[in-house]
Formats: sequence, structure tokens, C-alpha cells
Amino acid sequence: DTEVTQTPKHLVMGMTNKKSLKCEQHMGHRAMYWYKQKAKKPPELMFVYSYEKLSINESVPSRFSPECPNSSLLNLHLHALQPEDSALYLCASSHRAAGVRTGELFFGEGSRLTVL
Amino acid sequence: EDKVVQSPLSLVVHEGDTVTLNCSYEVTNFRSLLWYKQEKKAPTFLFMLTSSGIEKKSGRLSSILDKKELFSILNITATQTGDSAIYLCAVGPSGTYKYIFGTGTRLKVLA
Repeated sequence: DTEVTQTPKHLVMGMTNKKSLKCEQHMGHRAMYWYKQKAKKPPELMFVYSYEKLSINESVPSRFSPECPNSSLLNLHLHALQPEDSALYLCASSHRAAGVRTGELFFGEGSRLTVL
Repeated sequence: EDKVVQSPLSLVVHEGDTVTLNCSYEVTNFRSLLWYKQEKKAPTFLFMLTSSGIEKKSGRLSSILDKKELFSILNITATQTGDSAIYLCAVGPSGTYKYIFGTGTRLKVLA
């Protein structure tokens, strides 16, 4: 079982809706990530938070708004999405491993988003 | 531009076969390479490789990294139908939290 929990597992929303995806981890990891994965494609990095500060934004459209309220929680606020934003949204976390800045990514089960 | 390429893109084998999956990369200031298995949902972690020539092993799976030739292989021996999945390779440049994923190898093991 994954130690990164994502809710909801499935979300259907219209283009005018506002919704949020939530992610929680209790492994003491200080880096948290949002990835987007389309069918038959690898995960694409969207955002990275390190010590609750936004570290990487991969030029993601502003209709996606991340938030890291504390070291265990990561949210992704969604507003005015397009049908092409339909995808599996994966949250991940990582810690420092010996000799390297960050260790492996631990993924949540994902939130499957459908935009109508 | 940093790049990770996996081959083959897909593979169909029979139970009991041995498979070798390849991951080659061009990444500035390489830090680490990760292997993941993805079935229906989240990728599950298999191995993390940082040093050249050291084999990581877990049951029927093993992996090795060649930092000189810039590639890694993932071996699965005595394959089972439960090994059917997409195998993803990700490479992390140093000085950043960014991991670059390859396109994956889709493995199907027939009974």
C-alpha cells in the first residue's frame, strides 16, 4: 500500500468548475511533487515543493494552482480547465538519501480527472 | 536538452522467459536513475542507482548502471504474468528535484 494518499480517486468537472486535488504523506518527506500523466505516456512534472516552498513550476498554465499548507499536505486547485487537461494526476514525495540531494519518488495512487 | 530513452517500447514474452529492458540517457550532471513498475495506477519503486557497475537485486529483478556509456538495464528472470506492466526509467540531474522520465517499456507476459 502506498504511503502517499490522494483524494479524490476520480473527479469529473465542467470547464467552469473549481475543484481541488489533495495529497497527504506522513513519511516526513520535505519534497512533494505533482505530475500529470496522459494515457500511454510517462509522467510529466508540473510542480515541486521543497520545505513548503515552490521550487519548480514547469511552465504550467495558471488554471492549475498548487498549494503546500504544511510539510504533509499538497493541494492542486483547478479552475477553468480544458478537456485536454483530462489525465491522471500523480502526487509524489521524496526525502534526502545518503550522498544525494533527494531519494526515490514515492507516488500516490493518483486522481483521475475528466474535464467535460 | 536532457533526454531519457527506453527500449524496446513494448515486448511480449511467455512465462519463464528472461527479459532485458534498456534505459539510455543524456542528462547534465547525472545524479541518480530510478526504475519503476506501473500497472493500473501509481508507479511503484523498484531500484535507485547512483554508482556505476553495482548491481541492485530484488528477487527475480536486477538492475545495473553504466555511467560511462550512459545507460541502465533492468533484468527480469523467470517472468510471470504478474510482471506484465509498464516499466519506467527516470533520471535525476544533480542540483535539482527534477526527474526526467523515459517513455516506458510495456511488457506483456503470456501464460
